[in-house]
Amino acid sequence: EAQVTQNPRYLITVTGKKLTVTCSQNMNHEYMSWYRQDPGLGLRQIYYSMNVEVTDKGDVPEGYKVSRKEKRNFPLILESPSPNQTSLYFCASSKDHGTYNSPLHFGNGTRLTVT
Amino acid sequence: KQEVTQIPAALSVPEGENLVLNCSFTDSAIYNLQWFRQDPGKGLTSLLLIQSSQREQTSGRLNASLDKSSGRSTLYIAASQPGDSATYLCAVKPLLVFGKGTKLTVNP
Repeated sequence: EAQVTQNPRYLITVTGKKLTVTCSQNMNHEYMSWYRQDPGLGLRQIYYSMNVEVTDKGDVPEGYKVSRKEKRNFPLILESPSPNQTSLYFCASSKDHGTYNSPLHFGNGTRLTVT
Repeated sequence: KQEVTQIPAALSVPEGENLVLNCSFTDSAIYNLQWFRQDPGKGLTSLLLIQSSQREQTSGRLNASLDKSSGRSTLYIAASQPGDSATYLCAVKPLLVFGKGTKLTVNP
């Protein structure tokens, strides 16, 4: 089944403890991205990747890192999480970013709580 | 900068009613517009994608239209059901800017 898989689904951590949220897609998609969703603010893009070894900042990249060493994986790294990073995080992918009929597919989300 | 607005923010209708959700965008230079459904605490499910050269797309009881020149899209839901209750979001590409969504409640 074609899908975007995020892990973990729920994560509670403490301020400053490094964490990684994994994202994997099995559709051979070139484009992958991370979003956070907060009440009243909607979905905001954190980072995106057009292809392997190509990443770029979205609207809210501060406090986050990403890497794209393989086409299928796009982990989100929080080196020193803070309470303002408590949010619902989504990974998404599409075949590529340039074609007009390439829909965006989302993972099921990771709810992160930083205390 | 592309901005996407969805009005209304919330909508409550009785079962069986036909309804229209609105999405407007400020920059008409888009590749496509995609409509999503999101259930509480869950991921986004793609409903319809309209390419910039298209005027509408249909899937079952859903019909999405696109008027690029006026910066508007509508999602028409026919014969609404309680199972349609969810938040509906639209997003435009290439910048992948999302609206904040319309929360739909269909009452039995």
